[in-house]
Amino acid sequence: GENVEQHPSTLSVQEGDSAVIKCTYSDSASNYFPWYKQELGKRPQLIIDIRSNVGEKKDQRIAVTLNKTAKHFSLHITETQPEDSAVYFCAAGGGGANNLFFGTGTRLTVIP
Amino acid sequence: GAVVSQHPSWVICKSGTSVKIECRSLDFQATTMFWYRQFPKQSLMLMATSNEGSKATYEQGVEKDKFLINHASLTLSTLTVTSAHPEDSSFYICSAVTSGGHEQYFGPGTRLTVT
Repeated sequence: GENVEQHPSTLSVQEGDSAVIKCTYSDSASNYFPWYKQELGKRPQLIIDIRSNVGEKKDQRIAVTLNKTAKHFSLHITETQPEDSAVYFCAAGGGGANNLFFGTGTRLTVIP
Repeated sequence: GAVVSQHPSWVICKSGTSVKIECRSLDFQATTMFWYRQFPKQSLMLMATSNEGSKATYEQGVEKDKFLINHASLTLSTLTVTSAHPEDSSFYICSAVTSGGHEQYFGPGTRLTVT
């Protein structure tokens, strides 16, 4: 099955700085890579996703890059704000059954 | 749009009893629903995939006789934790996918505590 690894597990940045979270996956059949933000006690919320036919996607302060050859993808948050503080999960899937396999999560803290 | 609800939001039960958790897609039809388990400060672990009208597909290590999943309609899937034990205490989250879609819409989760 799919195995998704995520780094770092915790990340602290100063407000206004950039944050980068990296994930690798193992199943070359995976073709859908979403990123979720989860605040304490709440449901995961999709913030951005990318499909295997695209190398990069950007939505305002958030961008995701995908290197399918190397099987890794990254989340980039620029001009971080305190409200960006949360746990971020990457996931990989889409291999037919829409199953998603999640990374271990990154706790991002933006220091005002 | 794409709202998923879960009921109950939290439940406390005694060891040995069974608990049913409902997952509903409120404004769309979900051909596929997923059940996850999340321990404190950990990731979401996929337990099973359920397709409407067919048997659920369980991930390796998940006991299908303990975690009964029923997906009887396009808007409702249920997870029943049978003969619950304290180690079953966890946060259970469902998600739903629209027909032909990839994005999973998550429910708010159910916190189960077994005493």
